[in-house]
Amino acid sequence: QKEVEQNSGPLSVPEGAIASLNCTYSDRGSQSFFWYRQYSGKSPELIMFIYSNGDKEDGRFTAQLNKASQYVSLLIRDSQPSDSATYLCAVGGTGANNLFFGTGTRLTVIP
Amino acid sequence: ETGVTQTPRHLVMGMTNKKSLKCEQHLGHNAMYWYKQSAKKPLELMFVYSLEERVENNSVPSRFSPECPNSSHLFLHLHTLQPEDSALYLCASSGDWSSYEQYFGPGTRLTVT
Repeated sequence: QKEVEQNSGPLSVPEGAIASLNCTYSDRGSQSFFWYRQYSGKSPELIMFIYSNGDKEDGRFTAQLNKASQYVSLLIRDSQPSDSATYLCAVGGTGANNLFFGTGTRLTVIP
Repeated sequence: ETGVTQTPRHLVMGMTNKKSLKCEQHLGHNAMYWYKQSAKKPLELMFVYSLEERVENNSVPSRFSPECPNSSHLFLHLHTLQPEDSALYLCASSGDWSSYEQYFGPGTRLTVT
C-alpha cells in the first residue's frame, strides 16, 4: 500500500502569517503531487499541483517538491480566516487508479 | 448545472434496503471515480471508469455495484450495506483516466442504520 503521511493537526496560525503544510510519501516512483482543500462538510477542491522538483507559485500558495527526500509542502502566505480548512495531499504514480491521499491537515487561521 | 453534481446529498438506509447514488459531470471529462471518505481515514478509491469501461475495482465488497451508462453519468448501487459503510461517498471526474487532476462532486452523506 502506497502511503501518504500528513500531520493531522490542528495547525493554528494567526491571520497574516505563513502556514506551512507538509506531506511525505513512500513510493519513490510517484510522479504527480496535488493539494486539495476541503472545507468542513464540503468536497475536496484542487488548489495546486506540481510535477517537478522545486517551487511552484500561484497567488498566495506555493507548492514545494523534493523528490529525493520524498516530501511535498504547501505554503500559504498572508493566511486568511477563509483559508481555515483541511488540506489533503495526494500523490500519483502511473494512472489515476494510483492516486493516493493523506488523511489531511486541519488548518485554523486565527483572526 | 456546472461541474460535478451528486444526488442525493444525504441518505439514511437500513441494512436490508436497496438504494442508488447518482453522479453527473458537466465538464466533458472521460473518466469518473467513486471514493469513500470515512472519518480520520484517507480517501479510498473504489471504482474508476474510463469511457464507460471499468478500469479499476479496488477490492470493493459486492454490496457496492457501480454503473456507468455514458461518460457523463455514474451510479453506485447499494444493497445489504453494513453500518461500517456509513461515510461520505464522493464522485470525481477527470479529463481521462491518466489525468490526476480530478474534480469532485459535493458528495452523498450515507448513514446505514
